[in-house]
Amino acid sequence: DSGVTQTPKHLITATGQRVTLRCSPRSGDLSVYWYQQSLDQGLQFLIQYYNGEERAKGNILERFSAQQFPDLHSELNLSSLELGDSALYFCASSPLSDTEAFFGQGTRLTVV
Amino acid sequence: GIQVEQSPPDLILQEGANSTLRCNFSDSVNNLQWFHQNPWGQLINLFYIPSGTKQNGRLSATTVATERYSLLYISSSQTTDSGVYFCAVGNQGGKLIFGQGTELSVKP
Repeated sequence: DSGVTQTPKHLITATGQRVTLRCSPRSGDLSVYWYQQSLDQGLQFLIQYYNGEERAKGNILERFSAQQFPDLHSELNLSSLELGDSALYFCASSPLSDTEAFFGQGTRLTVV
Repeated sequence: GIQVEQSPPDLILQEGANSTLRCNFSDSVNNLQWFHQNPWGQLINLFYIPSGTKQNGRLSATTVATERYSLLYISSSQTTDSGVYFCAVGNQGGKLIFGQGTELSVKP
């Protein structure tokens, strides 16, 4: 158990819908990262938050947004879902930037 | 941006065999991690090794930062070692760039 908790584990939804993925980082970790794993793109960095503020952005679509709350948990919001958004979404956390990151079990999103 | 290349892409071993997985990267890094993704999709931390050598049981890793590569050694492989091994590197504030992975299958 990495200490990073993601909910839900599985999510099936229809095209056009909006979903929210939730992540609780390891106790004491200030940095939270979101990654997407798809068959064609591999594991790709989406966005990073550090102590409530956006720190870095990767290949995140405009339909996707995230935030980190004062208690340091984070949410990734995916809207106007398309079939191609079906993927495994991981959250990771680390104490600071540039330190070892630990990953949650992932949320498997299926868009039908 | 930084490029990460892993080799081989696939590997089939008999139980008990040893193997070496390689990770090449195109720029200097201050973070390098090896992960094992098991058949259930979990990403399990193996090593945090931006430089030097570490060992953990049957697994060990070496990163030669000046030559921009890292090696993961698996000795006396077991069927539970099957899965995909990822190398991930970072040099800009924490985000990790992943290689495409090495898919390992260990046969009994």
